[in-house]
Amino acid sequence: DIQMTQSPSTLSASVGDRVTITCRASQSITTWFAWYQHKPGKAPKPLIYKVSSLQSGVPSRFSASGSGTEFSLTISSLQPDDFATYYCQQYQSYPLTFGGGTKVEIK
Amino acid sequence: EVQLVESGGGLVKPGGSLRLSCAASGITVTNAWMSWVRQAPGKGLEWLGRIKSKSEGGTTEYAAPVKGRFTISRDDSQNTLYLQMDSLKSEDTALYYCATDGTSAFNMWGQGAMVTVSS
Repeated sequence: DIQMTQSPSTLSASVGDRVTITCRASQSITTWFAWYQHKPGKAPKPLIYKVSSLQSGVPSRFSASGSGTEFSLTISSLQPDDFATYYCQQYQSYPLTFGGGTKVEIK
Repeated sequence: EVQLVESGGGLVKPGGSLRLSCAASGITVTNAWMSWVRQAPGKGLEWLGRIKSKSEGGTTEYAAPVKGRFTISRDDSQNTLYLQMDSLKSEDTALYYCATDGTSAFNMWGQGAMVTVSS
Protein backbone atom coordinates (compact mmCIF):
# COMPACT_ATOMS: atom_id res chain seq x y z
CA ASP A 1 0.00 0.00 0.00
CA ILE A 2 1.16 3.56 -0.69
CA GLN A 3 1.15 5.53 2.57
CA MET A 4 0.53 9.27 2.33
CA THR A 5 1.96 11.52 5.06
CA GLN A 6 0.88 15.14 5.24
CA SER A 7 2.60 17.94 7.10
CA PRO A 8 1.86 19.88 9.08
CA SER A 9 -1.24 18.30 10.63
CA THR A 10 -2.41 21.75 11.71
CA LEU A 11 -1.46 25.13 10.29
CA SER A 12 -2.37 28.47 11.85
CA ALA A 13 -2.38 31.37 9.40
CA SER A 14 -3.93 34.76 8.72
CA VAL A 15 -5.93 36.05 5.80
CA GLY A 16 -3.49 37.06 3.08
CA ASP A 17 -0.77 34.62 4.11
CA ARG A 18 0.92 32.31 1.65
CA VAL A 19 0.62 28.75 2.92
CA THR A 20 2.10 25.47 1.72
CA ILE A 21 1.04 21.96 2.65
CA THR A 22 3.29 19.01 1.95
CA CYS A 23 2.43 15.40 1.22
CA ARG A 24 4.98 12.61 1.13
CA ALA A 25 4.26 9.23 -0.47
CA SER A 26 5.89 5.98 0.61
CA GLN A 27 6.38 5.02 -3.05
CA SER A 28 6.89 7.03 -6.19
CA ILE A 29 3.75 8.41 -7.83
CA THR A 30 3.96 9.33 -11.49
CA THR A 31 0.72 11.11 -12.40
CA TRP A 32 -2.34 10.16 -10.39
CA PHE A 33 -2.24 12.50 -7.41
CA ALA A 34 -4.93 14.86 -6.13
CA TRP A 35 -5.80 17.43 -3.46
CA TYR A 36 -9.18 18.06 -1.79
CA GLN A 37 -10.62 20.70 0.53
CA HIS A 38 -13.07 19.55 3.19
CA LYS A 39 -15.27 21.56 5.51
CA PRO A 40 -17.41 20.06 8.31
CA GLY A 41 -20.84 18.99 7.11
CA LYS A 42 -19.99 19.46 3.46
CA ALA A 43 -18.86 17.22 0.65
CA PRO A 44 -15.13 17.25 -0.03
CA LYS A 45 -14.27 19.68 -2.80
CA PRO A 46 -11.79 18.57 -5.43
CA LEU A 47 -9.02 21.12 -5.99
CA ILE A 48 -6.22 19.49 -8.00
CA TYR A 49 -5.85 16.36 -10.14
CA LYS A 50 -2.89 14.79 -11.96
CA VAL A 51 -0.45 16.49 -9.55
CA SER A 52 -0.93 20.07 -10.71
CA SER A 53 -4.09 20.46 -12.82
CA LEU A 54 -6.69 22.79 -11.33
CA GLN A 55 -10.23 21.43 -11.18
CA SER A 56 -12.85 23.52 -12.92
CA GLY A 57 -13.95 26.54 -10.90
CA VAL A 58 -11.09 26.43 -8.41
CA PRO A 59 -9.52 29.87 -7.82
CA SER A 60 -6.08 30.48 -9.26
CA ARG A 61 -4.65 31.23 -5.80
CA PHE A 62 -4.46 27.43 -5.44
CA SER A 63 -1.51 25.73 -7.09
CA ALA A 64 0.24 22.41 -6.69
CA SER A 65 3.42 20.73 -7.73
CA GLY A 66 5.61 17.77 -7.03
CA SER A 67 7.03 14.55 -8.35
CA GLY A 68 8.13 11.17 -7.17
CA THR A 69 7.35 11.07 -3.47
CA GLU A 70 7.13 14.78 -2.56
CA PHE A 71 4.12 16.93 -3.39
CA SER A 72 2.82 20.30 -2.24
CA LEU A 73 -0.27 22.48 -2.32
CA THR A 74 0.14 26.24 -2.08
CA ILE A 75 -2.46 28.91 -1.42
CA SER A 76 -0.91 32.17 -2.54
CA SER A 77 -3.09 34.50 -0.47
CA LEU A 78 -5.29 32.83 2.11
CA GLN A 79 -8.95 33.88 1.99
CA PRO A 80 -11.62 33.47 4.69
CA ASP A 81 -13.27 30.68 2.66
CA ASP A 82 -10.01 28.69 2.64
CA PHE A 83 -10.03 27.74 6.31
CA ALA A 84 -10.70 24.02 6.07
CA THR A 85 -8.98 20.65 6.13
CA TYR A 86 -6.96 19.62 3.10
CA TYR A 87 -6.27 16.06 1.99
CA CYS A 88 -3.87 14.64 -0.55
CA GLN A 89 -4.68 11.41 -2.38
CA GLN A 90 -2.95 8.95 -4.65
CA TYR A 91 -5.11 7.17 -7.19
CA GLN A 92 -2.29 5.35 -8.92
CA SER A 93 -2.61 1.96 -7.26
CA TYR A 94 -4.90 -0.01 -5.00
CA PRO A 95 -5.82 0.66 -2.35
CA LEU A 96 -6.37 4.31 -3.19
CA THR A 97 -5.13 6.25 -0.19
CA PHE A 98 -5.56 9.66 1.39
CA GLY A 99 -3.20 11.60 3.59
CA GLY A 100 -4.19 12.21 7.18
CA GLY A 101 -5.25 15.80 6.49
CA THR A 102 -3.97 19.29 7.24
CA LYS A 103 -6.29 21.60 9.13
CA VAL A 104 -5.80 25.25 8.20
CA GLU A 105 -6.92 27.38 11.14
CA ILE A 106 -7.32 31.09 11.71
CA LYS A 107 -4.35 32.52 13.55
CA GLU B 1 -25.30 19.60 -13.61
CA VAL B 2 -24.02 16.45 -11.99
CA GLN B 3 -25.61 15.62 -8.66
CA LEU B 4 -25.11 12.65 -6.35
CA VAL B 5 -27.49 12.05 -3.46
CA GLU B 6 -26.79 9.39 -0.86
CA SER B 7 -29.52 7.79 1.23
CA GLY B 8 -30.11 4.76 3.40
CA GLY B 9 -27.99 5.66 6.39
CA GLY B 10 -29.10 5.08 9.97
CA LEU B 11 -28.54 3.19 13.19
CA VAL B 12 -27.76 -0.53 12.98
CA LYS B 13 -26.63 -3.08 15.53
CA PRO B 14 -23.21 -4.74 15.32
CA GLY B 15 -23.36 -7.68 12.94
CA GLY B 16 -26.24 -6.12 11.05
CA SER B 17 -26.56 -5.00 7.45
CA LEU B 18 -27.39 -1.77 5.68
CA ARG B 19 -27.55 -0.70 2.05
CA LEU B 20 -26.63 2.81 1.00
CA SER B 21 -27.86 4.29 -2.26
CA CYS B 22 -26.29 7.00 -4.36
CA ALA B 23 -28.78 8.41 -6.85
CA ALA B 24 -27.12 10.16 -9.77
CA SER B 25 -28.35 12.87 -12.09
CA GLY B 26 -26.43 14.55 -14.85
CA ILE B 27 -24.35 11.44 -15.41
CA THR B 28 -25.06 7.83 -16.34
CA VAL B 29 -23.67 5.53 -13.67
CA THR B 30 -23.26 2.77 -16.26
CA ASN B 31 -20.62 4.85 -18.01
CA ALA B 32 -18.85 6.13 -14.90
CA TRP B 33 -16.19 4.92 -12.56
CA MET B 34 -17.46 5.49 -9.04
CA SER B 35 -16.09 5.10 -5.55
CA TRP B 36 -17.27 5.07 -1.96
CA VAL B 37 -15.33 6.98 0.69
CA ARG B 38 -16.03 7.35 4.40
CA GLN B 39 -15.03 9.60 7.27
CA ALA B 40 -15.25 8.22 10.79
CA PRO B 41 -15.89 10.77 13.57
CA GLY B 42 -12.75 12.81 14.15
CA LYS B 43 -10.84 10.93 11.46
CA GLY B 44 -9.74 11.54 7.89
CA LEU B 45 -11.03 10.28 4.56
CA GLU B 46 -10.85 6.56 3.81
CA TRP B 47 -11.41 5.03 0.38
CA LEU B 48 -13.60 1.92 0.53
CA GLY B 49 -13.96 0.67 -2.99
CA ARG B 50 -14.55 1.39 -6.66
CA ILE B 51 -16.62 0.10 -9.54
CA LYS B 52 -15.48 0.65 -13.09
CA SER B 53 -17.75 1.55 -15.98
CA LYS B 54 -19.69 -1.20 -17.71
CA SER B 55 -17.63 -0.74 -20.89
CA GLU B 56 -14.47 -1.42 -18.91
CA GLY B 57 -15.85 -4.54 -17.34
CA GLY B 58 -17.70 -3.15 -14.34
CA THR B 59 -15.12 -4.71 -12.04
CA THR B 60 -14.83 -3.77 -8.39
CA GLU B 61 -11.93 -3.24 -6.02
CA TYR B 62 -12.10 -2.90 -2.24
CA ALA B 63 -9.99 -1.69 0.64
CA ALA B 64 -8.83 -4.37 3.04
CA PRO B 65 -10.98 -3.29 6.04
CA VAL B 66 -14.21 -3.84 4.09
CA LYS B 67 -13.29 -6.55 1.57
CA GLY B 68 -15.62 -9.50 1.94
CA ARG B 69 -18.14 -7.47 3.96
CA PHE B 70 -19.05 -4.59 1.63
CA THR B 71 -20.27 -4.89 -1.96
CA ILE B 72 -20.54 -2.14 -4.56
CA SER B 73 -23.11 -2.50 -7.31
CA ARG B 74 -25.30 -0.37 -9.53
CA ASP B 75 -28.77 -0.41 -11.01
CA ASP B 76 -28.60 1.04 -14.49
CA SER B 77 -32.38 1.41 -14.76
CA GLN B 78 -32.43 3.53 -11.58
CA ASN B 79 -29.12 5.28 -12.39
CA THR B 80 -28.09 4.47 -8.84
CA LEU B 81 -24.95 3.19 -7.16
CA TYR B 82 -25.19 0.99 -4.06
CA LEU B 83 -23.03 0.02 -1.14
CA GLN B 84 -24.21 -3.15 0.57
CA MET B 85 -22.67 -3.34 4.03
CA ASP B 86 -22.82 -6.64 5.95
CA SER B 87 -21.33 -7.83 9.24
CA LEU B 88 -21.13 -4.24 10.40
CA LYS B 89 -18.78 -3.31 13.23
CA SER B 90 -18.65 -0.32 15.54
CA GLU B 91 -15.62 0.92 13.62
CA ASP B 92 -17.78 1.23 10.52
CA THR B 93 -19.54 4.19 12.12
CA ALA B 94 -18.89 7.02 9.69
CA LEU B 95 -20.22 9.47 7.16
CA TYR B 96 -20.30 7.68 3.82
CA TYR B 97 -19.79 9.47 0.50
CA CYS B 98 -20.14 8.35 -3.09
CA ALA B 99 -18.02 10.06 -5.72
CA THR B 100 -17.36 9.98 -9.43
CA ASP B 101 -13.92 8.65 -10.10
CA GLY B 102 -11.48 8.73 -12.98
CA THR B 103 -8.43 10.42 -14.45
CA SER B 104 -9.57 13.72 -12.91
CA ALA B 105 -9.62 12.05 -9.49
CA PHE B 106 -12.83 12.20 -7.43
CA ASN B 107 -14.35 15.22 -9.12
CA MET B 108 -17.94 15.05 -7.89
CA TRP B 109 -19.14 14.03 -4.44
CA GLY B 110 -22.46 13.52 -2.74
CA GLN B 111 -23.33 15.13 0.60
CA GLY B 112 -22.93 11.90 2.53
CA ALA B 113 -25.03 9.46 4.54
CA MET B 114 -24.39 8.80 8.22
CA VAL B 115 -24.11 5.22 9.44
CA THR B 116 -23.98 4.48 13.15
CA VAL B 117 -23.20 0.95 14.33
CA SER B 118 -24.12 0.56 17.97
CA SER B 119 -26.03 -1.76 20.25
